[in-house]
Amino acid sequence: AQKVTQAQTEISVVEKEDVTLDCVYETRDTTYYLFWYKQPPSGELVFLIRRNSFDEQNEISGRYSWNFQKSTSSFNFTITASQVVDSAVYFCALSDPTSGTYKYIFGTGTRLKVLA
Amino acid sequence: GAGVSQSPRYKVAKRGQDVALRCDPISGHVSLFWYQQALGQGPEFLTYFQNEAQLDKSGLPSDRFFAERPEGSVSTLKIQRTQQEDSAVYLCASSLARPPFNEQFFGPGTRLTVL
Repeated sequence: AQKVTQAQTEISVVEKEDVTLDCVYETRDTTYYLFWYKQPPSGELVFLIRRNSFDEQNEISGRYSWNFQKSTSSFNFTITASQVVDSAVYFCALSDPTSGTYKYIFGTGTRLKVLA
Repeated sequence: GAGVSQSPRYKVAKRGQDVALRCDPISGHVSLFWYQQALGQGPEFLTYFQNEAQLDKSGLPSDRFFAERPEGSVSTLKIQRTQQEDSAVYLCASSLARPPFNEQFFGPGTRLTVL
């Protein structure tokens, strides 16, 4: 069965520190998709990135970077030089291809607090 | 451009009341999902529509939950005889095409509180 584990419930950092949010997933599918979403206090989930299982190239977007490693079933997210506006709950998700729905299986989220 | 909108944003219901939650997806989006998010948890899948067809309702917790999307655009999630355990944020998401080729875009959610 598909599962996503975000072991870090809450992380607090001081502004300008780097922070890594961990995501470990389980799936028996050979083709799958992984996602990261940000949920600010307003509640709306904001899409950050999608990664296909057959593309292990790491990606950088500004201060954000993602490290995808199939060997360890991990898809970690790093914020460089964190800012107060980065404070939010971050969710990692795995798409579930059963029934052709590709619904998301979410982790429990990591609450990031960036202190000024 | 307009994103996914949901109404109402907040709903308080007395136990036993029926409620209807509305989702307006992004125009032209074929796929529509409903998720339930309990406090402090990640969203959990409820149901999926492709246009007007409800292709997956495996996540609906009981037969008190019903969803429809009659014209393939706006969707309504209805909960009959609400119970306290139904209190949660209900999120709607839409996607441009059939899965899995596109990410889902989420609305702000409806926070349902059942007293």
